[in-house]
Parts: sequence; structure tokens; C-alpha cells
Amino acid sequence: QSVLSQPPSASGTTGQSVTISCSGSSSNIGRNTVYWYRQFSGTAPKLLIDTYNQRPLGVPDRFSGSKSGTSASLAISDLLSEDEADYYCAAWDDSLDATVFGSGTKVTVL
Amino acid sequence: QVQLLQSPAEVQMPGTSVIVSCAASGYKFTNYGITWVRQAPGQGLEWVGWISASNGNTKYSRRLQGRVTMTKDPSTNTAHLELRRLRPDDTAVYYCARTELVRGRRGVDNWSDPWGQGTLVLVSS
Repeated sequence: QSVLSQPPSASGTTGQSVTISCSGSSSNIGRNTVYWYRQFSGTAPKLLIDTYNQRPLGVPDRFSGSKSGTSASLAISDLLSEDEADYYCAAWDDSLDATVFGSGTKVTVL
Repeated sequence: QVQLLQSPAEVQMPGTSVIVSCAASGYKFTNYGITWVRQAPGQGLEWVGWISASNGNTKYSRRLQGRVTMTKDPSTNTAHLELRRLRPDDTAVYYCARTELVRGRRGVDNWSDPWGQGTLVLVSS
């Protein structure tokens, strides 16, 4: 069972927006930076964005990250078919002295 | 460019050990740590542990503590993960990732990028 909670799935049509939530606690999201990773089927995860909206080169600004209290969110605007993937949130947990991941959210573009 | 290349798939019997290697290139190896993450078939990501860039300090998953050892060899820019007393539920793809783990004014920044291609470890009799 994952320490961070995410909805198992999210969907939208091309051009719409979708938001994925990530719920944690004061020992992880409440005090540390949250990162989002995207994983296409059969490939390794890739860093997508953090809660301060810092993105690696090549990640479009259609992706935005935010945090409030012990919850974080990833928003995807102008949804494209290529956005279909699994999305994971992650943060350092001071109590566990470990990185904790969300259970993952599968995004489907209808 | 920055790249992590992992060793090929392994098939091991329960009770034995496995070593997965991760060769880094394109950056100064001692400037970043290495995180190991595993993913069982059809499941999510599970953090295995982290090894420091500079001094070899390690942090391990409590679930795997006692069975896992991480090492780094700066002379070959390679990190290794050893998992002992293998069980069938250790079957997973194991990933390494270049990691910065820093505590600052806004808490802990802990990002991993890029990731290796993954190594399948199959534990079966």
C-alpha cells in the first residue's frame, strides 16, 4: 500500500484539461518538494515536473504542478493522445527517511 | 548526454542473491547519488534505496533492510545493487536513477533524472 494516495485513473478528451491529485501527510508532502514522473507502457519513468513548476528541458508548459498543505496536484492542459501514460507523485518522507511514491494514475485520452 | 545503462535481465532461484549494475556516463559521477526503484509486474513504483554521491552513505527501504546492499565504484562510474535471500515477490524490473537529495530552506529536494532502462529480475524455481 502506497504512502501517497492517487486516483487510479483519470481521463479527458483531446484538448481538455485533467488534474491528478496526490495526498500525503506532514512528514512528506507537507514539508518537502513533490515530484511527478511519467511512465509510458514498457519504458522507464521520466521526471516531469515538481511542485514549483520546474520542468526538465523538453517538457511543455501544458504540464503544471502545485502543492497546498499535504496535497499536491498535476494539471495537464490541452490534452493530447501522447499524454496517455501512468503518472506517479513522489516526495521524501522525513519519518520514514525514504522516498515515497503514489500508487500511480493512468491517464486515458478519449 | 547523461545516460545510465543497466545490466541485462537475471533469472535466479529463491534463496540466492543477485547483483544489478548501473553504468553512468555524461556527468561527474561523484556529484550525484543513485536511487534504486523497483516495479513488480503490473504494479507501481517502490523505492529500494539511495546511495550518496560523495561519501557512499546509504538509505534503504525498511522493508528490504538486511537483504539489500548498495555500492558505488567511482573508478568505473558504476553503481551496484545486491539483493540477497531472494523471494518470488522480489520479481520486478529494477531501475537506477541519478538523484539529487538535498535538504534546503524549502525542505528536501529529491529528484531523479534520468533513469536507466531497467533490469528484470525473475525469481523462480
